[in-house]
Amino acid sequence: EADIYQTPRYLVIGTGKKITLECSQTMGHDKMYWYQQDPGMELHLIHYSYGVNSTEKGDLSSESTVSRIRTEHFPLTLESARPSHTSQYLCASRTGGNTEAFFGQGTRLTVV
Amino acid sequence: AQKITQTQPGMFVQEKEAVTLDCTYDTSDQSYGLFWYKQPSSGEMIFLIYQGSYDEQNATEGRYSLNFQKARKSANLVISASQLGDSAMYFCAMREQSSYKLIFGSGTRLLVRP
Repeated sequence: EADIYQTPRYLVIGTGKKITLECSQTMGHDKMYWYQQDPGMELHLIHYSYGVNSTEKGDLSSESTVSRIRTEHFPLTLESARPSHTSQYLCASRTGGNTEAFFGQGTRLTVV
Repeated sequence: AQKITQTQPGMFVQEKEAVTLDCTYDTSDQSYGLFWYKQPSSGEMIFLIYQGSYDEQNATEGRYSLNFQKARKSANLVISASQLGDSAMYFCAMREQSSYKLIFGSGTRLLVRP
């Protein structure tokens, strides 16, 4: 069973608010990822990290930011939420090489 | 540029029959890995099978097998003896050695008919 956790699971928030989505893993994985996914649709890579203090933007332009100060923690922050940010956000982690990525349960964000 | 293409938005299959889900990819790396994931309506992501670019044999995991054709850059998933519980979204994914990205295709929705 994967040990990767996302909080909160569901969040409804007003436009303009600052929010942080949490992602933590206890597997010691160095690579972590954030994806944005609308229901039943494609997973879009928005940020990834290959170790502490290393973060990169993904292929989907995003107004969010991430940090990686500790191996196990990879939070995603939206400085000013907008209705267009309404989506599901999935966090994943993996080691290197041939290993698969383990996913959290996701955060379903609604911005009203 | 790294890219994954799944051309079948939706597929139907009769229970107990086999089905093939298509996946093609594009990369300039010599070393890369290909993954298939299942996402049921509950939303969780379930890892199914992995194929490395240097693996000489096609990967198999129970009822899942991967038809890897390197020259054609395709990595199709074959599900044998389909079950009702196989109804879900299926995603093909790729990681390159040169970057640490893990990118996904647009997915195929599989519906198994009784």
